[in-house]
Order: sequence, then C-alpha cells, then structure tokens
Amino acid sequence: DAGVTQSPTHLIKTRGQHVTLRCSPISGHKSVSWYQQVLGQGPQFIFQYYEKEERGRGNFPDRFSARQFPNYSSELNVNALLLGDSALYLCASSLAGNSPLHFGNGTRLTVT
Amino acid sequence: GIQVEQSPPDLILQEGANSTLRCNFSDSVNNLQWFHQNPWGQLINLFYIPSGTKQNGRLSATTVATERYSLLYISSSQTTDSGVYFCAVSSGSARQLTFGSGTQLTVLP
Repeated sequence: DAGVTQSPTHLIKTRGQHVTLRCSPISGHKSVSWYQQVLGQGPQFIFQYYEKEERGRGNFPDRFSARQFPNYSSELNVNALLLGDSALYLCASSLAGNSPLHFGNGTRLTVT
Repeated sequence: GIQVEQSPPDLILQEGANSTLRCNFSDSVNNLQWFHQNPWGQLINLFYIPSGTKQNGRLSATTVATERYSLLYISSSQTTDSGVYFCAVSSGSARQLTFGSGTQLTVLP
C-alpha cells in the first residue's frame, strides 16, 4: 500500500510569492495534519483536518491556510512568503484524530 | 501547552552498543509516539505507546504514564540507526502532537 505522498519534493520561491503544497493520505485515513520543521528543530504543528473540517490550528499567522478535499487529500497554502518560511513541510495522516501518525517524505521549501 | 524534554541531545556509539533515550513530558498524555528521522529527512513511526511496553526487533519502548516519561531502547546498534529520534505527545483535547527537540544518534562503524 502506498504511504503518505507529498508533492512537490522541493520548491524554491521568492519572498512575497505564494505556494501550494499537496498531500495524499494513506488509503482509508480520514485525518490529515501539517507540520513545519525548520533546521535543527522538531516539527511544529500547523493544521489538522478530519472529514474535511479543521480540527486544530497551531500558532501560525493567517498567511497559512489549508483545506481537505472529499477524497481526503489536502493542500497547504502559504501567502506572502517570508525568508523564515523556509523549512521542511511534513504531512501526516491517521485513521482518526488521535491515532498513530504516519508522515510523508515532506516538501522542502526554500524562500529566497 | 505540554512540554516535552528529550535526553541526551546527542549520542555517539560504536556499532553493536546499546543505548537508552529518554522523553519527559509535563502533563498526562493520550498519545505518545517515537519517530526516527533519517539523514534524508524521512520521519518513520517507531512506536505508538501512550502507556506500557512494546518491542519491535532490536527496538523497544516503555512509557510510564503516571511518572510522565518514556524510554526508547536500541540494542546492538547499527550504522543505519543513525539519525534523530523524536518523542511526540498529545494531551487532553489537543489533537496535535508536540515534539521534543530530539536526540541526535550517530553510530560509528
């Protein structure tokens, strides 16, 4: 069975641009979460969606938004990119809101 | 929010050695997971262990929820065990995982 898939794997953007990252969960998983990991730190929670509804939001500015589609895939959007948004963005899926998380390989975003 | 502390921050071992990694958390938890992040950034789920003991090959984990800590044991280390080990927890009604700062493990051949 395919694991969590994320696209693209790498991305380079300029300050002020916007970016869309995509995630497909493991088949049968209805919950998708997004995390940001900057170099040298543990992942930080951004959003969780379950059955297409937002169930949790971390301490990130409104420039960050997300949504979940009827097939349970998800998008993370970041507007007005800043240099500090450069990070590894990880998507994780789980059967339910508090089940074990399984992570994708991430999207490495570089903002110049 | 809940605090997660991992120790040691760095660990260097010779191949074949055993090690114990510790995770302390500041509140009762309803979810605790151990992850291994390899040098390519892949985050692999090792254990889902909010309480009790589990074993998977050379790895085992124990969580003592009443004393708010968890231990990850690695026996007969191999070079492929190198990477960062994270403990992550959630508590109460919070659905997100809070990660510790990780233990950087280097296994030398």
